[in-house]
Formats: sequence, C-alpha cells, structure tokens
Amino acid sequence: EAQVTQNPRYLITVTGKKLTVTCSQNMNHEYMSWYRQDPGLGLRQIYYSMNVEVTDKGDVPEGYKVSRKEKRNFPLILESPSPNQTSLYFCASRPGQTYEQYFGPGTRLTVT
Amino acid sequence: AQSVTQLDSQVPVFEEAPVELRCNYSSSVSVYLFWYVQYPNQGLQLLLKYLSGSTLVKGINGFEAEFNKSQTSFHLRKPSVHISDTAEYFCAVSDRDNTDKLIFGTGTRLQVFP
Repeated sequence: EAQVTQNPRYLITVTGKKLTVTCSQNMNHEYMSWYRQDPGLGLRQIYYSMNVEVTDKGDVPEGYKVSRKEKRNFPLILESPSPNQTSLYFCASRPGQTYEQYFGPGTRLTVT
Repeated sequence: AQSVTQLDSQVPVFEEAPVELRCNYSSSVSVYLFWYVQYPNQGLQLLLKYLSGSTLVKGINGFEAEFNKSQTSFHLRKPSVHISDTAEYFCAVSDRDNTDKLIFGTGTRLQVFP
C-alpha cells in the first residue's frame, strides 16, 4: 500500500532532550516536507526537501533540523526541544512535478 | 508574500443542507489553489485543486470550488452535506513558479448535525 508513515505517533518528552521523528514514504517521491499544526494557526511548513541531499527552510524552521540521505526517509530532528514545540506534526510527500501532497498520519508531540 | 484567510473557524450545518466554506488569498503572483480535508485523528487528503482552465473545479465526495481571480477567492461548496463530511477543511495556495512552498489557511471545522 502506498503510504507515508511517521514514528512515533505520540511522544511526551522533557525540555532539552534531543528527539527524532521519522518519516518514510514508499512511493519513490522526490519531494518531502514537514509541517506543524497548531490550533488557530493551521499548518505551517517547517522544512522541505526537493530530493536527496537537497533541503530548504519553510516558514517556521527555528529549533528544527532535517536530513535527506535517502529518497524514502526525511527525519525531523529537535536538538533541544522546548514547550513551544508542543504540536501536531505532519510529514508529506509528492512526486517531483505534480501538486498533490500525500500526508502521513501525524505525530503528536508534547514537551514539558 | 502569500497568505490565505479562511473567514469561518467553524460552520455548523444540518444534514442535507448546502454549505459554503470561504477562502480568500493574497498573492502578487499567479497561484495554484487547493482544498484539503482532515477527518478526526487522520492526516490531510486532497479534496480538489485549481491549476488552470475552468474556474469551477470538482473534487471528491461531491465537493466543488470556484476560483474567482478578481475577488481572490476559492470558496468550497457542497449542495447537500452528510454526517460523514464532518471534518476540518483547509484552503492552501502555492506560487506557480515555486510549488515547493504550500501556505495553508487556519482551517474551518465543518460540523454536520442530524
């Protein structure tokens, strides 16, 4: 089944403890992206990647890192999480020349 | 910079009634427009998109939207809603020359009552 998977789905952590949220897609898509969803703010783009080893900042990149070493994976790294990064995170992917993004199921992160 | 405004944060409606969810955008360049739906505890899925051509776009589940360039709007409509349409709906815009960035509105929660 074609899909975008994220792990973990739920995570509670403490301030300053490094964490990684994984994202993987099995559709051979070139483009991948991370969003955070907050009440009243909709979805905001954190980082995106046009292909392996090619990444760029979205609208809210502060406090996040990404890497794209393989086409299928696009992990989101929080080196020192803070409470204001408590949010619902979505990974998405799409083929290079199309417009429809396929979203993962989301990761709910709580930083205390 | 582009932005998207969804004027209604919540829209309550009775089953089988028509509904319109409003979306306005601002951009200094030509855009592509999208509506996504998010069912409870799920990710987003594409309802419909406007890329070019006919300004009336039909999507899945009986939804349609009309692109109005002069009013910079892309309102979503359905003539008769079902309970199963209860969800959050997001309007989004991207620059035609840079589709790597997708700007979302704040969302409209559609609640359909029996």
